[in-house]
Amino acid sequence: EVQLVESGGGLIQPGGSLRLSCVASGFPFSDYSMNWVRQAPGKGLEWVSYIGSNIGGATSTIYYADSVKGRFTVSRDNAKNSVFLQMNSLREDDTAVYFCARGSRRVAYWGQGALVTVSS
Amino acid sequence: DTQMTQSPSSLSASVGDRVTITCQASQDIGNYLSWYQQKPGKAPKLLIYDASKLDTGVPSRFSGRRSGADFTFTISSLQPEDAATYYCQQYDNFLRHTFGGGTKVEI
Repeated sequence: EVQLVESGGGLIQPGGSLRLSCVASGFPFSDYSMNWVRQAPGKGLEWVSYIGSNIGGATSTIYYADSVKGRFTVSRDNAKNSVFLQMNSLREDDTAVYFCARGSRRVAYWGQGALVTVSS
Repeated sequence: DTQMTQSPSSLSASVGDRVTITCQASQDIGNYLSWYQQKPGKAPKLLIYDASKLDTGVPSRFSGRRSGADFTFTISSLQPEDAATYYCQQYDNFLRHTFGGGTKVEI
């Protein structure tokens, strides 16, 4: 069974940093690209970042939404079946539930989400 | 970046009705479009990908169609459990994904 479990969310002051983790199980993690998607309270879905698979040790392709470029960094550790989102210079409008999700065309598996609240 | 215009933002329909939601892409995205269903407090659920391919286990009353840069999502016979918010999502050649604004379906 495919499972994605996010962790690392919490309350952080504006300007602070937070690192989200997503641990995957039930599939060959290194073969799949991964995404981070967020949803602000009462709002729609916003894609945040994509990291490609790196089969054979190739460098992963990485993309960011303009709203987080330069502040957020996505990475993966295939040995730990994990993908990470390092979030720096957090702003109040980064407050959201952050989901990790597997795949590029067929994004069929999602985690339950981690709540990040940026507030003073 | 490609923008997705989704309409309507909300609708109310009755059980058994045919419901249609549209998304218009600001540029050619080929068939690179998915449709998701999201219920409150839950992660999105993939219903359709590549514009018209039904994901595994998704009921056949859900369908998707492409006409140029316009995409249509249809529920052929609305069921009580279909009350949710539906989103389109495009994934262009550089795999930057963009969501539409969502359509809340009330029954």
